[in-house]
Amino acid sequence: GAVVSQHPSWVICKSGTSVKIECRSLDFQATTMFWYRQFPKQSLMLMATSNEGSKATYEQGVEKDKFLINHASLTLSTLTVTSAHPEDSSFYICSASRRVDRVRRETQYFGPGTRLLVL
Amino acid sequence: KQEVTQIPAALSVPEGENLVLNCSFTDSAIYNLQWFRQDPGKGLTSLLLIQSSQREQTSGRLNASLDKSSGRSTLYIAASQPGDSATYLCAVSAGAQKLVFGQGTRLTINP
Repeated sequence: GAVVSQHPSWVICKSGTSVKIECRSLDFQATTMFWYRQFPKQSLMLMATSNEGSKATYEQGVEKDKFLINHASLTLSTLTVTSAHPEDSSFYICSASRRVDRVRRETQYFGPGTRLLVL
Repeated sequence: KQEVTQIPAALSVPEGENLVLNCSFTDSAIYNLQWFRQDPGKGLTSLLLIQSSQREQTSGRLNASLDKSSGRSTLYIAASQPGDSATYLCAVSAGAQKLVFGQGTRLTINP
């Protein structure tokens, strides 16, 4: 259980186009979803946190108009990179949070990632 | 601002050796600490999660310890195997489920 999928797994696009990445929790309802970005040989950096039905909370330095997040349901969140440029090329990973016990502790389950290359 | 540092950045050892990966964090007010494994071009696999009230967690050949007061954690891998080769990431949670990751340690186990 607790599987998170991402689609597509990789995408190549021309500069100026928009790219949508989907993140789905396959067998559980996620209270919260997170989007991370990872540049080559660097660690994951949190971009934004989203809850179903509400606006995403973006980390400092992340442009909300550039990276549009839609959390349409408890099992689906999408990240749209608008007007992508080569510097947006990166590995994007989502995670979904699930309550694991009565004490309200939650753990994050990570998707396999989406590699974006903007030419 | 929480900062997480992992040492060493890369490690190469012969198969069969026991090894230790280190993680340090600047703010001891954490909710929990996790160790993840990441294979090249892949997502993350959670290995061990230590709650702030715990001192260690074990899973098979892996043992993770946490010393919150000193801001340190170690991941001990016993009897290393070539299949253990991967990047190991340490992450701390300071509430609101936000994870702050270290840069990772790239581990290579040589047959």
